[in-house]
Amino acid sequence: SQQGEEDPQALSIQEGENATMNCSYKTSINNLQWYRQNSGRGLVHLILIRSNEREKHSGRLRVTLDTSKKSSSLLITASRAADTASYFCATDGRGKSTFGDGTTLTVKP
Amino acid sequence: GAVVSQHPSRVICKSGTSVKIECRSLDFQATTMFWYRQFPKQSLMLMATSNEGSKATYEQGVEKDKFLINHASLTLSTLTVTSAHPEDSSFYICSARDRSGLAGGTGELFFGEGSRLTVL
Repeated sequence: SQQGEEDPQALSIQEGENATMNCSYKTSINNLQWYRQNSGRGLVHLILIRSNEREKHSGRLRVTLDTSKKSSSLLITASRAADTASYFCATDGRGKSTFGDGTTLTVKP
Repeated sequence: GAVVSQHPSRVICKSGTSVKIECRSLDFQATTMFWYRQFPKQSLMLMATSNEGSKATYEQGVEKDKFLINHASLTLSTLTVTSAHPEDSSFYICSARDRSGLAGGTGELFFGEGSRLTVL
């Protein structure tokens, strides 16, 4: 089974709104990464947060990590139509990286 | 930034043939590469972990004789889908772990663009 579970599975918002996606995992990790995937394309790395970090920012992205709850969140602020994609969290630990189920984000113009 | 190249990006083959997909780390050495399979509108399923110079470690339920993995060098891993059938049609993605610390020593994973296999 997949290491991570994400919610919501699908999210639809208006351009300019913020989008929050959550990821929960089961085992200990070294780091957690968020990726974006446009339909039919490969993965694009967004941000990596290490297990000893609690929050990280990159442009309009904000990621939090709570290792006590084994959860992470990805916040996209001031969303744009071009942010429409699937977003996956991937946990890296025990020598391998496994993915959550993903959140499909639709940003309406 | 680090680049992982996957080739071919698309392949169509007849049932019963074998298809090889290459995964190369272009500007870093990768002792470990991973192969994933993704069905439409689903997440990535880890198939196997490929270690340079040793046998791949397959996840439960993945047929090692069907999906042959070779990691002959620090920059190249190959996945061969043997005797492909329509049910093997899928999107296959590889990733490579940066050993050299290009990504600041985090061992960050870098992904290829993926290879879409269609078996007729």
